[in-house]
Amino acid sequence: AQSVTQLDSHVSVSEGTPVLLRCNYSSSYSPSLFWYVQHPNKGLQLLLKYTSAATLVKGINGFEAEFKKSETSFHLTKPSAHMSDAAEYFCVVSDNFNKFYFGSGTKLNVKP
Amino acid sequence: NAGVTQTPKFQVLKTGQSMTLQCAQDMNHEYMSWYRQDPGMGLRLIHYSVGAGITDQGEVPNGYNVSRSTTEDFPLRLLSAAPSQTSVYFCASSGRGQRTEAFFGQGTRLTVV
Repeated sequence: AQSVTQLDSHVSVSEGTPVLLRCNYSSSYSPSLFWYVQHPNKGLQLLLKYTSAATLVKGINGFEAEFKKSETSFHLTKPSAHMSDAAEYFCVVSDNFNKFYFGSGTKLNVKP
Repeated sequence: NAGVTQTPKFQVLKTGQSMTLQCAQDMNHEYMSWYRQDPGMGLRLIHYSVGAGITDQGEVPNGYNVSRSTTEDFPLRLLSAAPSQTSVYFCASSGRGQRTEAFFGQGTRLTVV
């Protein structure tokens, strides 16, 4: 069975400082992993996805995620937070039937 | 570039009423699904479909029905609305193959009073 655990429900950073959003996954086989972002009252936008071609995945808006099989983790990072990054972020794993399993979400607050 | 289109965007129902949430995609995707989003719980899968004529239940199917007569459309029916069904509903579609991302509609905010 597939599942993801997002370790922090809220993260608060100052503008210009690094962002780290943590995600651990459980999967019966080589996982398909994604990060999505949801701005207030908006839909979900794909930030990045793990394709198995490289363990360090680059996404949009300067976000990256590193796949670590030994730690079953797929943490999301950004070197320097911007005010526009304030949103809710979801770590997602999918199965062989393209069913997507969401973590409970991490709300990122960016302070000026 | 419509992608996934959901209607309506907002709806208020009285307990016991029925309604259908519409979802259409124009990407010729085989896989479609419905999720509900509740605070602190992420998105949970209600029903999904792997192609026209084929549907199956997800994590939280009770109180909802689906059918898929065409590749493009995947409506979600609430048979007898309950306050516990107050939520934001998202429809998604994805293509064939592993590591294929899901494309989401803009959501329907449903309130049952």
